[in-house]
Amino acid sequence: EDQVTQSPEALRLQEGESSSLNCSYTVSGLRGLFWYRQDPGKGPEFLFTLYSAGEEKEKERLKATLTKKESFLHITAPKPEDSATYLCAVLPGNFNKFYFGSGTKLNVKP
Amino acid sequence: NAGVMQNPRHLVRRRGQEARLRCSPVKGHSHVYWYRQLPEEGLKFMVYLQKENIIDESGMPKERFSAEFPKEGPSILRIQQVVRGDSAAYFCASSSDSLAQYFGPGTRLLVL
Repeated sequence: EDQVTQSPEALRLQEGESSSLNCSYTVSGLRGLFWYRQDPGKGPEFLFTLYSAGEEKEKERLKATLTKKESFLHITAPKPEDSATYLCAVLPGNFNKFYFGSGTKLNVKP
Repeated sequence: NAGVMQNPRHLVRRRGQEARLRCSPVKGHSHVYWYRQLPEEGLKFMVYLQKENIIDESGMPKERFSAEFPKEGPSILRIQQVVRGDSAAYFCASSSDSLAQYFGPGTRLLVL
C-alpha cells in the first residue's frame, strides 16, 4: 500500500540551529515528491517538486533532497519566521492521487 | 495574479443541512483536487477533477458527498445531510499539469 511517513512529528530549534526533516515513502513508482509549508489557519504553500533520486532543490534557507526511499528537507540557520508545519506528498506512478504525510511541526525560538 | 480562491472561508451548518463549498482555480488551471484536513492531521485526498470530468473519487465517501467542475464556473464540493463528523477544513488545490498543486485558503466547516 502506498504510504508516506514524516519524522519527527514536532521539532523545536533555536534560531540558527540547522536541522533536517525526513519524509519516507513507499509507492509503486514515483512521478514526483512535493514539499509544502502550512501556517496555522492557512492552505499549504508549495515549496519544491523533486522527480528523481539524486535531485536537489534550494530556496533561501531550505534545501530538499531525494533518494529512492526518502526525502530530506534541510533547514540551514533557521529563523523564527520559518516556524510552520512542513508537509510532504508523493504522486505514485500509476495514479492521479496524491498521498500526504502528517507533517512536521517546526518551532524556531529566537 | 489571483491564486486559488475558496468560499466561504467559514461555514456553520446544523446536522441534516447541506453544505456547498466553492473553489475557483488559478486562471488557466484545468485540474482541481479536494482535500479534507482534521486538526493536527495531514491532508486526505477526496477527489480529483478535470473540466466536466471526475477523474478519481476514491477518497470521497459514496454517500452524501459529491463534486463537480463544470465547463464554466467554480468547482463545487457538496455535502448533503451533514453530520458532526463532517466538521473539518476542506482545501481545494489546482494545477496546470496534474503535478505541482497550488492550494486555496480552505473552508472551515463546523456542524452543530
